[in-house]
Amino acid sequence: KQEVTQIPAALSVPEGENLVLNCSFTDSAIYNLQWFRQDPGKGLTSLLLIQSSQREQTSGRLNASLDKSSGRSTLYIAASQPGDSATYLCAVSGGGSQGNLIFGKGTKLSVKP
Amino acid sequence: NAGVTQTPKFQVLKTGQSMTLQCAQDMNHNSMYWYRQDPGMGLRLIYYSASEGTTDKGEVPNGYNVSRLNKREFSLRLESAAPSQTSVYFCASSEPYNSPLHFGNGTRLTVT
Repeated sequence: KQEVTQIPAALSVPEGENLVLNCSFTDSAIYNLQWFRQDPGKGLTSLLLIQSSQREQTSGRLNASLDKSSGRSTLYIAASQPGDSATYLCAVSGGGSQGNLIFGKGTKLSVKP
Repeated sequence: NAGVTQTPKFQVLKTGQSMTLQCAQDMNHNSMYWYRQDPGMGLRLIYYSASEGTTDKGEVPNGYNVSRLNKREFSLRLESAAPSQTSVYFCASSEPYNSPLHFGNGTRLTVT
């Protein structure tokens, strides 16, 4: 059974710092991997989707990488801002419906001014 | 654009009561999903509909039923609510292949 782990569970950094969030999964037979952001009391917002054939995706200050063979993904956030404070969730799709995502429990990020 | 709209936002039920959670999307997506989010458990898939006219069970379907009313709407029904169904329920939609999921803002359900 696929399991997704995110480390650390919480992270506090000063504004301006570059940071890396980690995601690992146990079964490398994934269809794609998605990173989401969740603000308190809100739904999830998709940040990046990496297809199984891709190694990385970039959007603005965000860069996500995927290493299927080692079962790992990282989300790199450059020049962090207080507005980046949120919970970041990683999810993998193992086939069937691509919406049948297995989620990690998230990393709660706090960026201090 | 509204995206994915869920109603109601909050609901309190007594054990044994029934209710239907509504979800509608205006992005013309073929696929729709219902997830629940619980502290310490993360998000788990309840049911999904890959396309209009089809529904399938996810990881935690027991105690729930769904209806894909049309391409826009996908409802989740609790026939006899139990305290274990206290959770935040999210609806999402997407295109079927390698497309990001778009989530609603959730329904916070408490069963007493």
